[in-house]
Amino acid sequence: QKEVEQDPGPLSVPEGAIVSLNCTYSNSAFQYFMWYRQYSRKGPELLMYTYSSGNKEDGRFTAQVDKSSKYISLFIRDSQPSDSATYLCAMRAGGGNKLTFGTGTQLKVEL
Amino acid sequence: GAGVSQSPSNKVTEKGKDVELRCDPISGHTALYWYRQSLGQGLEFLIYFQGNSAPDKSGLPSDRFSAERTGGSVSTLTIQRTQQEDSAVYLCASSLQPGGTDTQYFGPGTRLTVL
Repeated sequence: QKEVEQDPGPLSVPEGAIVSLNCTYSNSAFQYFMWYRQYSRKGPELLMYTYSSGNKEDGRFTAQVDKSSKYISLFIRDSQPSDSATYLCAMRAGGGNKLTFGTGTQLKVEL
Repeated sequence: GAGVSQSPSNKVTEKGKDVELRCDPISGHTALYWYRQSLGQGLEFLIYFQGNSAPDKSGLPSDRFSAERTGGSVSTLTIQRTQQEDSAVYLCASSLQPGGTDTQYFGPGTRLTVL
């Protein structure tokens, strides 16, 4: 069993929809949680970075962490075709350096 | 400013040949990471360099893989006697300093195809 599980999709939604992306994890040592966005043939770029349980909002994006359930989510409001990409969750243990990634969810926002 | 750069962007090689992949981190970043992204596998950690400390090689899949970082800047990942299962995108990332809430910035990757 992988340390981080993420539904690979693909997920297709109409423009303007609210998108929910999720990851579960098994390692209690994970303390830092990230969401990266990766366009085709590009490197991942950081979208959101959270440390504590709860919600963090940035524009149309909200990251949610529930450490008790070992579950993290990314919500995208008013989705746009430009949001079409692969979304990767990533985690790091406290005091650790390497990131452990989910497999990524491929999202397509259609006009 | 300039981001992380990697070269070549694409590499096609024959099974059994050696390949070298290069990473130029963001200037001033002390930490450098290599990851591998295979279809359906997500990104897997390979190796981590921090300053003059001994690298963390815990993610290297076999002794055919090695990496070095010269002068605390440029890094080279070498794969000897390549196998078809080595085909993947190799991504390099750098961060200002490790730990805490440091952000890893990724390069565009090198797409390696082993025939």
